[in-house]
Amino acid sequence: GQQVMQIPQYQHVQEGEDFTTYCNSSTTLSNIQWYKQRPGGHPVFLIQLVKSGEVKKQKRLTFQFGEAKKNSSLHITATQTTDVGTYFCAGTHRGSTLGRLYFGRGTQLTVWP
Amino acid sequence: DGGITQSPKYLFRKEGQNVTLSCEQNLNHDAMYWYRQDPGQGLRLIYYSQIVNDFQKGDIAEGYSVSREKKESFPLTVTSAQKNPTAFYLCASSTLLDSLGPGANVLTFGAGSRLTVL
Repeated sequence: GQQVMQIPQYQHVQEGEDFTTYCNSSTTLSNIQWYKQRPGGHPVFLIQLVKSGEVKKQKRLTFQFGEAKKNSSLHITATQTTDVGTYFCAGTHRGSTLGRLYFGRGTQLTVWP
Repeated sequence: DGGITQSPKYLFRKEGQNVTLSCEQNLNHDAMYWYRQDPGQGLRLIYYSQIVNDFQKGDIAEGYSVSREKKESFPLTVTSAQKNPTAFYLCASSTLLDSLGPGANVLTFGAGSRLTVL
């Protein structure tokens, strides 16, 4: 089916360590989005990737979209306690007439000071 | 400020009762959505609507109903037929699903409504 798989489900790191979460789709995506949800909060849009092989950076966050547009990753360099939360990817499958977003299950990041 | 307002923030319900969650947006977005979030389950789509007076079932529509009488409003009713309604419910909106350009199909979420069935 049209699903987006995301791993790992949980990640615990010490402050200063790096963190990466990965998304994978069995079908080609037309675009992928990333959201962050702080504990007790709601998801907030971070970025959208559209082009094959695209790489975008937001300060310590690096987002990549695979060449085949079937996978994506979010990498955080030198994590801080403010990075705590759940990170979701969400993709739109190419050819989907409605452009509906399919969310991964999310990666819950815990950062120890 | 433009945004999405969900109410109530917390709601308690007895088994067998219907409950309606409110969602209002002033972003002039055409599309609106309801998601359910359970621990470890991510976001599961209940219903969505692209235009007034039209809506489609998502992946877990059973036991829920919606209406879209106004562009700004998309209330969700959790009926007594929903077997496990205790969850965090998120409403979201976006520009038209098939529109192009930066920001198209990017979701803006409300703060959520946490429903507990006693």
